[in-house]
Amino acid sequence: EAQVTQNPRYLITVTGKKLTVTCSQNMNHEYMSWYRQDPGLGLRQIYYSMNVEVTDKGDVPEGYKVSRKEKRNFPLILESPSPNQTSLYFCASILRLAGGHEQYFGPGTRLTVT
Amino acid sequence: AQSVAQPEDQVNVAEGNPLTVKCTYSVSGNPYLFWYVQYPNRGLQFLLKYITGDNLVKGSYGFEAEFNKSQTSFHLKKPSALVSDSALYFCAVREPNFGNEKLTFGTGTRLTIIP
Repeated sequence: EAQVTQNPRYLITVTGKKLTVTCSQNMNHEYMSWYRQDPGLGLRQIYYSMNVEVTDKGDVPEGYKVSRKEKRNFPLILESPSPNQTSLYFCASILRLAGGHEQYFGPGTRLTVT
Repeated sequence: AQSVAQPEDQVNVAEGNPLTVKCTYSVSGNPYLFWYVQYPNRGLQFLLKYITGDNLVKGSYGFEAEFNKSQTSFHLKKPSALVSDSALYFCAVREPNFGNEKLTFGTGTRLTIIP
């Protein structure tokens, strides 16, 4: 079954304690992306990756890092989390098609930073 | 820069009535347009998309959307609402350029179907 998995699904942490949210896809997609969802703001792109070792900033990259060492995994790293990073995070894996694309979202990770 | 507006935060519809969730967009060039649905404590599920061709697009769960280029709109519709349609709906747009496959999302519309 084609899927995008994220771990953990829920996380409560404290300010400054480094954390990593993992994302993995089994569809061999080259393109992956991270979004955060906040009430009244919709989803905003944090970082994206066009292929292994190719990453770039989205609209709200401050306070986040990513890596893409292998095609299936795209972890999101918060080196020093702050309360304003409390949010719902979604990883997406994209299949590029001629004339469009199919975007598959993970189940989400709800992060609370106290 | 591309943008999407969903003018209604909340839409309430009686079960069995037709429903419309509004979306307008701004993008240079021809847009790729999408609708996603989010059920409580769930991820985003793809409903339908418009890339090119017929302005009326049919999608999952009986939903459809009409692309209107002159009004830059892509409203989501369903002829007869079900209680199970209650969820958060997002409209999204992408410019058809090679590179960042970013979707720009609207702020979402919470649809409540009243039994």
